[in-house]
This record gives sequence, structure tokens and C-alpha cells, in this order.
Amino acid sequence: GEDVEQSLFLSVREGDSSVINCTYTDSSSTYLYWYKQEPGAGLQLLTYIFSNMDMKQDQRLTVLLNKKDKHLSLRIADTQTGDSAIYFCAESRYSSASKIIFGSGTRLSIRP
Amino acid sequence: DTAVSQTPKYLVTQMGNDKSIKCEQNLGHDTMYWYKQDSKKFLKIMFSYNNKELIINETVPNRFSPKSPDKAHLNLHINSLELGDSAVYFCASSQERGEAFFGQGTRLTVV
Repeated sequence: GEDVEQSLFLSVREGDSSVINCTYTDSSSTYLYWYKQEPGAGLQLLTYIFSNMDMKQDQRLTVLLNKKDKHLSLRIADTQTGDSAIYFCAESRYSSASKIIFGSGTRLSIRP
Repeated sequence: DTAVSQTPKYLVTQMGNDKSIKCEQNLGHDTMYWYKQDSKKFLKIMFSYNNKELIINETVPNRFSPKSPDKAHLNLHINSLELGDSAVYFCASSQERGEAFFGQGTRLTVV
């Protein structure tokens, strides 16, 4: 079946690293994504990783994929107040009828 | 230069009315989607079109009818609006098997 799960809330001190975790059930997932949604805004694609990769780094963002455990994480280094948002994990399959399945979103709040 | 644009951004209407939301993408993508985001921020796919053909219809009530006049447009028409239809509706597009780009959303409030 298709299911993507994330914890709902994360609170981090400014300057620390944030780690947002996600698990998925579909073993045929090919693409795994992280989207960011700021209040009142649409979804912004932050980064994505192919299922044949273990890690992807892009400036302050590091994505780790454990395919065996179907676990995906997003690490944000040096978290800033502008990182406050909801972060959605999502997955899709390599298929002509592909659809992107989203997790429930993790609300990241930054404390001073 | 907006990649995926939807109109209107806000829509307030009475129960029983019929309304439409328009979506256009200028990315040259083959696939377009409609997603619904409820008050708890859960995102659920409603429809997917590939090259103007309906690919996915996720058990959405038939009061919701998508229409794709061409590859760059996917409109959503909703008949006989109900209170439970209140949500934010997002349009998105992607190249087949690629990451999706989302519009800014249409906040629909049914009163």
C-alpha cells in the first residue's frame, strides 16, 4: 500500500540542526521529495532523491535515505527563523500513472 | 513568469452554488494534478491528467469535474458545493515521473 508518515511537530533552537524524519511503505517508490510550505503559501520543492541514492546534499540541506528501512530524513543545518514552515515528505513511483503521495507534514518551529 | 498559476486565490461562496478554479502552467509539462489540502494540512490527490487525458481519479465525488482543454491548462469545476468542500485546492504540474511544481493554492470557503 501507499503510506507516508511523519511526526507532526518539531521545535528547534535557532542555530541548531533540525532533523525531520519520514517513513514510507511503498517499496517501489522511486522518487522521494521534501516540500516546504510557509503560512498561506503553496508548496515549494526543496530537494528530492532517487531511490538508488543514499544521500544528497544541497547547501544547508542533507537528505538521507535508508531504503532497507524505508526511512527518509531531512537535516537542516544552522536552522534560521526563516526555516519555520511545514515540511512534507512525499514519494512517487516510476510509472506513467504516477502520483505523488504526501505525508502529513511536520511543523517546524524555531525558538530563540 | 509564474510557473503554475491558479485563479482565484480566494473563493467564498454559498452552499449549493457551482464554481470553477482555473490552472495554467508554462513549464511545458505533460502531467497536471489537483490536490486538496484540508484544515489539518493533509494533502490528498484528487485528479491527474497526462497530455489532456485523465489518468488518476481518486474516488472524488462526481460533483468535481476536471477539464483539460490543452496540455497547459487543467480547470476544476465543482457543482452543488457543500460545507465539507471548504479547503485549499492546489494545482501542480510535472514532467512524467518528475518532481511536481505547485501553484499558490485556492482557498475555497463554503458558507
